Amino acid sequence: DTGVSQNPRHKITKRGQNVTFRCDPISEHNRLYWYRQTLGQGPEFLTYFQNEAQLEKSRLLSDRFSAERPKGSFSTLEIQRTEQGDSAMYLCASSLAGSNSPLHFGNGTRLTVT
Amino acid sequence: QKEVEQDPGPLSVPEGAIVSLNCTYSNSAFQYFMWYRQYSRKGPELLMYTYSSGNKEDGRFTAQVDKSSKYISLFIRDSQPSDSATYLCAIMYGNKLVFGAGTILRVKS
Repeated sequence: DTGVSQNPRHKITKRGQNVTFRCDPISEHNRLYWYRQTLGQGPEFLTYFQNEAQLEKSRLLSDRFSAERPKGSFSTLEIQRTEQGDSAMYLCASSLAGSNSPLHFGNGTRLTVT
Repeated sequence: QKEVEQDPGPLSVPEGAIVSLNCTYSNSAFQYFMWYRQYSRKGPELLMYTYSSGNKEDGRFTAQVDKSSKYISLFIRDSQPSDSATYLCAIMYGNKLVFGAGTILRVKS
């Protein structure tokens, strides 16, 4: 079990640029989640997939954000036209299907928008 | 009102102390309760997971849930400097976790 893997660990970008993050979940997990965490706050839900289907999106996920999970394996989160308010830690988590399955998190991608 | 309330601390205790961390929640439909530990610049790490009222023990950690009061607690016995971290309570609602803001714990040697 290699755990949830996220790349890159840190991304610095200029306002207006597009960025893409990647998440590789635990191999047998069919659910994959994206969360965002800012300093001093708990993680906030953005979206989740079951296999390749995106089943729920938060109101936090503006139209500049898009997530994909082709083939139900790894996932990408893209932010277009980044803004300084997008600076945060983006966390990926995976779990087995079922509402009682705990989430296992990766170490996140820290985004800094200058 | 936030769905999950947690005192952000920081909470500072001497090594060996018993630590009590607490959260309250507003929605009685919440079903599953978890505690995560997060070290600086790392992702949250699952510590405890329970779904019923009462206590669940794992080593030095005890999770307590009181559904009638909508109150959950995490107790740490014989606290160590390595326990210094942010502790997040999290509650499963439907198919997603809702987190508290986290409590910063500092254990002094």
